[in-house]
Amino acid sequence: EQLVQSGAEAKQPGASVKVSCKGSGYRFGIYDVNWVRQAPGRGLEWIGWMNPNSGNSGFARKFQGRVSMTGDTATNTAYMEMSSLRSEDTAVYFCARGWPEGYGRFFDLWGRGTLVSVSS
Amino acid sequence: QSALTQPASVSGSPGQSVTITCTGTSSDIGDYNLVSWFQQHPDMAPKLLIHEVTKRPSGISPRFSGTKSGNTASLTISGLQAEDESVYYCCSYAGRSMYVFGTGTKVTVL
Repeated sequence: EQLVQSGAEAKQPGASVKVSCKGSGYRFGIYDVNWVRQAPGRGLEWIGWMNPNSGNSGFARKFQGRVSMTGDTATNTAYMEMSSLRSEDTAVYFCARGWPEGYGRFFDLWGRGTLVSVSS
Repeated sequence: QSALTQPASVSGSPGQSVTITCTGTSSDIGDYNLVSWFQQHPDMAPKLLIHEVTKRPSGISPRFSGTKSGNTASLTISGLQAEDESVYYCCSYAGRSMYVFGTGTKVTVL
């Protein structure tokens, strides 16, 4: 079981970034995919979740309107797109498998992270 | 949603026990038995240690244990070992399919 994320990205302020997360070794669609970020030297921050099968998603209030999350069950890949990037969005972005409602609501499998750098 | 509050650092000698607290509100920790704990070594992804307050995933040492009382959850590391030196985060379900992490605690083995 693993989650493999796309490579590092360097973006200018105001641009958008799309990070991918490919799952393997388990039934990808039945688990949620959560996205968590970590700015340099800072703590973990939950961004949001999506379910690949249903397409349902939810986001932390501070990211609503600026983040979208999608999934492709044919390729077992989840995507997180963030727009209107600013320097404060510079961080490592992790995807994590989430057990859904009724099954514990925890994150047990993590990708290795994707560094997104925002600078002019 | 504000981050859960953890002490910035705790320390202990090898063999001792340390406890990390994680304080939230009645809307997150206090309302759900859905608290997780993670260990994160430098430049690594977080690793799940505890879920649903007290449950350990397969392969996690029984030296790690979790409890909860009211709006505060705790992680205890017993028999502290050098390899336990790391940063630890709590995480709670906060309703409406949202989650919140703690501020993180650096554990130092003296």
